[in-house]
Amino acid sequence: GQQLNQSPQSMFIQEGEDVSMNCTSSSIFNTWLWYKQDPGEGPVLLIALYKAGELTSNGRLTAQFGITRKDSFLNISASIPSDVGIYFCAGHHNNAGNMLTFGGGTRLMVKP
Amino acid sequence: GAVVSQHPSRVICKSGTSVKIECRSLDFQATTMFWYRQFPKKSLMLMATSNEGSKATYEQGVEKDKFLINHASLTLSTLTVTSAHPEDSSFYICSVKSGGLNYGYTFGSGTRLTVV
Repeated sequence: GQQLNQSPQSMFIQEGEDVSMNCTSSSIFNTWLWYKQDPGEGPVLLIALYKAGELTSNGRLTAQFGITRKDSFLNISASIPSDVGIYFCAGHHNNAGNMLTFGGGTRLMVKP
Repeated sequence: GAVVSQHPSRVICKSGTSVKIECRSLDFQATTMFWYRQFPKKSLMLMATSNEGSKATYEQGVEKDKFLINHASLTLSTLTVTSAHPEDSSFYICSVKSGGLNYGYTFGSGTRLTVV
């Protein structure tokens, strides 16, 4: 199915650095979700965004729902080794039933 | 969000045999569950939407006779990979959509299927 454009595909950073990743779409969404997936596990919800312009934080994580409703970003501040994993954005449109559209994922590697 | 239990976490089977994967919603009555497939280093690909008490809705290109879905109760959906072949080896993940205004999609922990 359709995928969101998520970038970057991978990042290799030093512990303590800040991280930013984003997703863009050609169509609008009503909800943006950000997930983290550890190896061999299912995705775990990090942040959910429901309104255009909404900025939400969860600890060191901050995400925003773009004003145009076609994009979202996720920032991680002061990265730590346990931030390693794959981060996925997902969008939902009210007219799409229950279906989520996923980004291709951002693989984050943190060097201690 | 809902608590989702997926079993087994890993399974190895021989070619030609069938494998059943269970997805349970432990604290939420789920009329709808979702089954995804994930290839290494790739994103999640929706296979089908499982509907309690009715037939599953399959995504284009997914063989319904190959991947049998049964959603017989509000807390259990099963995915059976029939006559498995090595190319069916993959990571399969189920998901439950919780209700309410502040909803989210909760995922199971996934099942690593290896067909030898």
